[in-house]
Amino acid sequence: EAGVAQSPRYKIIEKRQSVAFWCNPISGHATLYWYQQILGQGPKLLIQFQNNGVVDDSQLPKDRFSAERLKGVDSTLKIQPAKLEDSAVYLCASSLDRLAGAWDTQYFGPGTRLTVL
Amino acid sequence: DQQVKQNSPSLSVQEGRISILNCDYTNSMFDYFLWYKKYPAEGPTFLISISSIKDKNEDGRFTVFLNKSAKHLSLHIVPSQPGDSAVYFCAASGGGNEKLTFGTGTRLTIIP
Repeated sequence: EAGVAQSPRYKIIEKRQSVAFWCNPISGHATLYWYQQILGQGPKLLIQFQNNGVVDDSQLPKDRFSAERLKGVDSTLKIQPAKLEDSAVYLCASSLDRLAGAWDTQYFGPGTRLTVL
Repeated sequence: DQQVKQNSPSLSVQEGRISILNCDYTNSMFDYFLWYKKYPAEGPTFLISISSIKDKNEDGRFTVFLNKSAKHLSLHIVPSQPGDSAVYFCAASGGGNEKLTFGTGTRLTIIP
């Protein structure tokens, strides 16, 4: 079974530029998550999708971050404009069906390491 | 406000001995706890979990203990192997808010 795919793996940009990350979840997984992991910290949830609807985006800085999950499969996360403090690893995860009542394991992709100069 | 804390940034253990990783939480609404393992340049991998209705869960060499009164959980690895060298994250969920709250991680190094 193929895992969660993310691209690019690394990205270096200057502040005020824009950047986009792509995620392809495990086939059949209805729930998709984007996390931000700053160096020395644990992952922090930015946004959670159930199919193509947003379940939780309470910690997404909506003035500069946006995310979409068209057709309930792939997802993109965009930052525009980027700030120095956005330097982090952006992790995508997926789970089978988070609203099914039982706990569903979240499977993580390898992440995209973003450096903002 | 850090609701899940891993106070030991690093831990070194001899191969074959027991590794004990600790995690404390402050939110009494948390009712599900997980441990994830992370190798460099890879995403976190689910290791083991425990519900608040239990105080112990075992899976092979890995055992998680939960002490609800102390708001403390620990991960025991016996015996420790070189492949266990990684960063371990504790995570928690609950209170109607099902998102995972992660700790800052503990880097475990197994010495051959």
